[in-house]
Amino acid sequence: DIQMTQSPSILSASIGDRVTITCRASQSISAWLAWYQQKPGKAPKLLIYKASSLESGVPSRFSGSGSGTEFTLTISSLQPDDFATYYCQQYNSYPLTFGGGTKVAIK
Amino acid sequence: EVQLVESGGGLIQPGGSLRLSCAASGFTVSNNYMSWVRQAPGRGLEWVSIIYSDGTTYYADSVKGRFTISRDNSKNTVYLQMNSLRAEDTAMYYCAREKVEATSVGIDCWGQGTLVTVSS
Repeated sequence: DIQMTQSPSILSASIGDRVTITCRASQSISAWLAWYQQKPGKAPKLLIYKASSLESGVPSRFSGSGSGTEFTLTISSLQPDDFATYYCQQYNSYPLTFGGGTKVAIK
Repeated sequence: EVQLVESGGGLIQPGGSLRLSCAASGFTVSNNYMSWVRQAPGRGLEWVSIIYSDGTTYYADSVKGRFTISRDNSKNTVYLQMNSLRAEDTAMYYCAREKVEATSVGIDCWGQGTLVTVSS
C-alpha cells in the first residue's frame, strides 16, 4: 500500500500569511493526488485534483504542485475561512490512501 | 441540485451487521464512480470502498471480506453492507461521488455522513 505523509501536522499562521503544506508518497504516484479541506463537523471539500488542477469554485489563492513522491498545497494569502484541516489523497493505485492531515490554526 | 443523503448508521454490537444507504439526487449513480470514506472520532479520513460505473469494486484491506459495496439503479442508491463489525469500525461514514477524468481524480460530492458506533 502507498503511505501518504503530511507535514506539518499542525501549522499556526496569521491572516495574510503564505502557507505551504507538504505531502509525501512512499512511492511514485505520478500526479495522481487530490487535496481536500475539512472544517469541524463537515464533510471534506475538494480543492485540487491531479496535483495542480483547481476544482471549480475554489478560490485562486489555493494552488497545488508536485509530481512523483513530493507534493505541496499552497495558500497564497491566508483568509479567515481557510482555518481548517487539509488532507491529501493518492489516486495512483488501490487501496486509495489519505495523508494524516494538517490542521491550520490561528496564530 | 446534486445531493447525497446517507442513512442506516447507529449503535451495533461487535460482530453484528449493518447496511448503510446513500440516496443520490441530481445525478445517476450508475453512470458514476461512487465511494465510501470513513472518519473515526477525532481522527483522519480513511478510504473504504469504491464501485465503478461498470460494477467493478475495490476495498480497503481493513474491510475486505467483511464489507460489500453495491447499488440499486432503480432507487439511485448506493449501499455498504458491513458484517463482522469491530470496535475499530466506529466512525462517521461518508458516501461520495468521484470526479472522473478517464479515471477517478478526487471526490467532488460528499454526503453529510452517518455515524456507526460499534460497542457492547
